[in-house]
Amino acid sequence: EVQLVQSGAEVKKPGESLKISCKGSGYSFTNYWIGWVRQMPGKGLEWMGIIYPGDSDTRYSPSFQGQVTISADKSISTAYVQWSSLKASDTAMYYCARSETGMTSNLDKWGQGTLVTVSS
Amino acid sequence: NFMLTQPHSVSESPGKTVTISCTRSSGSIASNYVQWYQQRPGSSPITVIYEDDQRPSGVPDRFSGSIDSSSNSASLTITGLKTEDGADYYCQSYDSSSRVFGGGTKLTVL
Repeated sequence: EVQLVQSGAEVKKPGESLKISCKGSGYSFTNYWIGWVRQMPGKGLEWMGIIYPGDSDTRYSPSFQGQVTISADKSISTAYVQWSSLKASDTAMYYCARSETGMTSNLDKWGQGTLVTVSS
Repeated sequence: NFMLTQPHSVSESPGKTVTISCTRSSGSIASNYVQWYQQRPGSSPITVIYEDDQRPSGVPDRFSGSIDSSSNSASLTITGLKTEDGADYYCQSYDSSSRVFGGGTKLTVL
């Protein structure tokens, strides 16, 4: 069974750093892209970016370029998104999702989401 | 980048048909695939339509997708509405630089 399992909820203070994860199983992790999607409280889905774990090719949404870093460790079938200095406005649910291609294919499997709360 | 505009909410009765639109602000809607995702409260999204009009296995054939080049929009149509179809629906497409989601449509079935 294809699964994407995300790391647990986080509570952080403004200015702190954070790295959340998404572990794939049940398929060849290096043959699919992993994308990240933000959903702020009560709001819609926002595209953050995507990575191909096979060669770490990474594409960012213009809105998130420079705000986060997307990475992957293919040896443990895990993708990450990290922040160097969190802001209160980073409070959101973050989803990872799998895709056959960087742009054209649908996101056919989603993780359960990681809730990030940033508050002083 | 372009934008995808959806109605904020729609409401319809069980057994009826509803259509949700998704209008692309620039660039041709027909040039890049449109996907539709359903998100029930407290759950992760799932694909209900991909590549404009394809239905994943397990999605009822009550769900269909289409493209209208004249209005530069995509549509998701759900026939024979059930209360369980009540959810948020998002269209998504892309250009050369990024994927883009529509703002989402809240479907109420009552």
